[in-house]
Amino acid sequence: SYELTQPPSVSVSPGQTARITCSGDALPKQYAYWYQQKPGQAPVLVIYKDSERPSGIPERFSGSSSGTTVTLTISGVQAEDEADYYCQSADSSGTVVFGGGTKLTVL
Amino acid sequence: QITLKESGPTLVKPTQTLTLTCTFSGFSLSTSGVGVGWIRQPPGKALEWLALIYWDDDKRYSPSLKSRLTITKDTSKNQVVLTMTNMDPVDTATYYCAHRRTGVTREDWFDPWGQGTLVTVSS
Repeated sequence: SYELTQPPSVSVSPGQTARITCSGDALPKQYAYWYQQKPGQAPVLVIYKDSERPSGIPERFSGSSSGTTVTLTISGVQAEDEADYYCQSADSSGTVVFGGGTKLTVL
Repeated sequence: QITLKESGPTLVKPTQTLTLTCTFSGFSLSTSGVGVGWIRQPPGKALEWLALIYWDDDKRYSPSLKSRLTITKDTSKNQVVLTMTNMDPVDTATYYCAHRRTGVTREDWFDPWGQGTLVTVSS
């Protein structure tokens, strides 16, 4: 079955830039989406269609795509950005798939 | 404003059938392009997509769980129901429903999500 691969953890200091990657063979042909999940809360969409930011999401969140890898970038990380981040996409048949999640720690 | 809320049993026994209801507001499942999805998350683990139902009653299921899942909608009540048969302790998870968004090529993403409901499978 199709898989999206994320690093289990990323750590950054406040004010630095965090980059979280997501890899999958179908990503050149399928959009990627990113969700932020804080402890005890439901996921929140932070990036859609690789690089679009929903209204209400801070500008420090951005997304990019290159080949089989998409990247969520958080510029000027704040303590409140500490959370789990999940990528989502679809396989070649359109079946929805989530990545394994990345825990972002703000040191 | 779109809101969704999951409801159903918090505890089910192994082999039983789970029935969860998603009650939503702020959109109609009779509107073209609209959909509702179900996603679950075992404690401490990753999100797993389960099923999607669309405004035209098209339905999609996770291939690994397809034989156990049924998703239906009641447009008049603004509800979507998910049933999962033959529950097992490994199905213990928080179950979320979410509003499906899409683009011109009918891709699927979820925004917003309900608060989730924890279902424990134990005898």
